[in-house]
Amino acid sequence: DTAVSQTPKYLVTQMGNDKSIKCEQNLGHDTMYWYKQDSKKFLKIMFSYNNKELIINETVPNRFSPKSPDKAHLNLHINSLELGDSAVYFCASSQGDMSSSTDTQYFGPGTRLTVL
Amino acid sequence: GEDVEQSLFLSVREGDSSVINCTYTDSSSTYLYWYKQEPGAGLQLLTYIFSNMDMKQDQRLTVLLNKKDKHLSLRIADTQTGDSAIYFCAESINQVRDSNYQLIWGAGTKLIIKP
Repeated sequence: DTAVSQTPKYLVTQMGNDKSIKCEQNLGHDTMYWYKQDSKKFLKIMFSYNNKELIINETVPNRFSPKSPDKAHLNLHINSLELGDSAVYFCASSQGDMSSSTDTQYFGPGTRLTVL
Repeated sequence: GEDVEQSLFLSVREGDSSVINCTYTDSSSTYLYWYKQEPGAGLQLLTYIFSNMDMKQDQRLTVLLNKKDKHLSLRIADTQTGDSAIYFCAESINQVRDSNYQLIWGAGTKLIIKP
């Protein structure tokens, strides 16, 4: 069974469009994350979210917004897509809350977003 | 600021040992992780080590931590073609401003296996 899943795996769209990437985890974890991996493979955290708080990396444009319908899901909405948004986006989850250093993150397979 | 550095490439012969190195700057790191990313795939947790440990072994994997030098290494014994991947080092640090922990990632080391 897949622990952390994302859909779609590939997303190709035009500049200016609005799109969403879905993430689901069946691990019963409390915290979920979104990461962006650029073409040079650098990984940067975008959001950390649990039922208590949302932490936003201050470098993330406000065109990006996470939406959590329930504890098992954290979707990423992107408005007015730009060329520079092309990247692989990874969802992750961890058992505890963000105040624990022991919290291991488990990653989804990634969504490759291409903006034309 | 916090920084994690790795060499971008490592090339080894099949059957040899691979040693992937990582240095970090934040001395308050509590856990350090190694993740593996195969081509076109997601990130898979390989192993992790607590900062008060010097070594951790798990089958073909050996993690060595030199906390004084802030140096972490991952040794893969008897490297196989299936080990071809990018290996990411990450440290868990406390974000003092809000008391939450965050992973700081290295750029990844691409392991190339020669026949």
